[in-house]
Amino acid sequence: GENVEQHPSTLSVQEGDSAVIKCTYSDSASNYFPWYKQELGKGPQLIIDIRSNVGEKKDQRIAVTLNKTAKHFSLHITETQPEDSAVYFCAASKTGGYQKVTFGTGTKLQVIP
Amino acid sequence: DAEITQSPRHKITETGRQVTLACHQTWNHNNMFWYRQDLGHGLRLIHYSYGVHDTNKGEVSDGYSVSRSNTEDLPLTLESAASSQTSVYFCASSELGRTSNTEAFFGQGTRLTVV
Repeated sequence: GENVEQHPSTLSVQEGDSAVIKCTYSDSASNYFPWYKQELGKGPQLIIDIRSNVGEKKDQRIAVTLNKTAKHFSLHITETQPEDSAVYFCAASKTGGYQKVTFGTGTKLQVIP
Repeated sequence: DAEITQSPRHKITETGRQVTLACHQTWNHNNMFWYRQDLGHGLRLIHYSYGVHDTNKGEVSDGYSVSRSNTEDLPLTLESAASSQTSVYFCASSELGRTSNTEAFFGQGTRLTVV
């Protein structure tokens, strides 16, 4: 089955700096890579996703890059703000008919004001 | 607005007791999932369902069961609670995706403590 590794497990940055979270996956058939943000006491919420036919996707201060050859993908947050503090999960899955998502172990991001 | 709700939000139970966690969604989604979240493990899939009367085992299904009698609900049952099942449980739902993946919506979680 799919295995998703995520690094780092914790990350502290100064407000205004950039944050990068990296993930690798094992199943070359995976072609959908969502990122979830989990705030304290809440369930994960999708913030951005990328499909394998795209190398990069950006949404305001958040961007995700995908390297299919190396089987890794990354989340980039620029101009970090205190409200970006949360746990972030990467995930991987395959399309077609049915779906189930394999999650990484999470990164706790702390943005220091 | 459509939503997905879990109940209870917090539960303390004794070892050996049967416990049922409820999950109810009003999105009319075909897919429903149960995950557990533990430090250092992220989210791990327990069981999932692609429609009424359909259930499937995930990677950590031992000691858990689910049933899907309607579209809206997927209750998770711990047959005989064990301390190793102390965790935070999340339910999620998504639309049936045949040619592309669709976003999964998560409930707010149930914190279960087995003593």
